[in-house]
Amino acid sequence: GAGVSQSPRYKVAKRGQDVALRCDPISGHVSLFWYQQALGQGPEFLTYFQNEAQLDKSGLPSDRFFAERPEGSVSTLKIQRTQQEDSAVYLCASSLVQGGYTEAFFGQGTRLTVV
Amino acid sequence: SQKIEQNSEALNIQEGKTATLTCNYTNYSPAYLQWYRQDPGRGPVFLLLIRENEKEKRKERLKVTFDTTLKQSLFHITASQPADSATYLCALGPNYGGSQGNLIFGKGTKLSVKP
Repeated sequence: GAGVSQSPRYKVAKRGQDVALRCDPISGHVSLFWYQQALGQGPEFLTYFQNEAQLDKSGLPSDRFFAERPEGSVSTLKIQRTQQEDSAVYLCASSLVQGGYTEAFFGQGTRLTVV
Repeated sequence: SQKIEQNSEALNIQEGKTATLTCNYTNYSPAYLQWYRQDPGRGPVFLLLIRENEKEKRKERLKVTFDTTLKQSLFHITASQPADSATYLCALGPNYGGSQGNLIFGKGTKLSVKP
């Protein structure tokens, strides 16, 4: 595809349920980022991959959050035992090169609602 | 810790006027700064990047300035149109000399351009 694709677009989970959010970056993009965006706030960094290596996971809020990118392309963000405070839009972004000075392309996000 | 502020949550202007949005930061020395546009229900879209050694950048009706002494960036939209109505996000790149990593986003300014 031409852009970053995220699925599902919307997800409703019961509290305590595990969820998996998928991100398909632009082909050939080295860097991949996950962000969490609460209503009325800017995106907050969760984790960063360079190819298949997870170089920074300092933004993951707890050990219930786990991300992987095993082949350096598609990435999955998994949230175990979801809590209500996990309700947010989860954005994935990719960029062509490492080292900054380049724009990030964002997907439309997955809106997660925990009930 | 580093802090980024976009000091207007909302800005209302008349069509044809110049919109000026402000981004201030503290305790940080970003190598670059980016501006994004975000429409409701969509991911952010990249607009402009300005490096720490650049004073000003232009793209069509958009202009960004970057004052590293004041720790401030101004984002201008000239001859504004109702289609410019959106939330505009300021994002800081990594500290100068630091490794590639996440962008730090402000909360955004919601711009409304009235016909």
